[in-house]
Amino acid sequence: DTAVSQTPKYLVTQMGNDKSIKCEQNLGHDTMYWYKQDSKKFLKIMFSYNNKELIINETVPNRFSPKSPDKAHLNLHINSLELGDSAVYFCASSQGLAAADEQFFGPGTRLTVL
Amino acid sequence: AQKVTQAQTEISVVEKEDVTLDCVYETRDTTYYLFWYKQPPSGELVFLIRRNSFDEQNEISGRYSWNFQKSTSSFNFTITASQVVDSAVYFCALSPLGNEKLTFGTGTRLTIIP
Repeated sequence: DTAVSQTPKYLVTQMGNDKSIKCEQNLGHDTMYWYKQDSKKFLKIMFSYNNKELIINETVPNRFSPKSPDKAHLNLHINSLELGDSAVYFCASSQGLAAADEQFFGPGTRLTVL
Repeated sequence: AQKVTQAQTEISVVEKEDVTLDCVYETRDTTYYLFWYKQPPSGELVFLIRRNSFDEQNEISGRYSWNFQKSTSSFNFTITASQVVDSAVYFCALSPLGNEKLTFGTGTRLTIIP
């Protein structure tokens, strides 16, 4: 019954590796997002997709590449991981692109880069 | 550009006390939406409330109440008769009309002492 799910929940990896985080929503929403929450709990948007089309791309390094195979999925691939990438990554979805639309968040993926 | 300030980094109160979490925002847009999210120790982000900029009525939901004052650009959150389960990090966020990007404050960590 999970509305927005992410896998894995925890990810520990070495510097330089490539990793992916998957996100799926079963709410029938058109818009999906990726947020990064750093060690100080600061939440910042990274990307958003609407109907598989990239809408928001904040100043995120090129090593981060989102992929949306369909409306229900938005995966995040990270190349050449760095220590500073350690954070909790949240996926979210909303009905549409309206500012009023409530965003539903996934449980988060804690990424630790050693 | 939008900005959300939560000046209180951490607050501790004894159970059953009332507590108010402050949120001050900046935006040039005349129509916008304000949100509060709760992040309990388990880590997920839980939606609490959405308010549009034209609706300055205060809202009450059980022990929670919100005071929106456009004149001071504030959207404060009060918990009455606090309980240990209220312990969490609380985020205020802003989204202008026509821009689905949610800008979060830095959060206030609330600890309720039994």
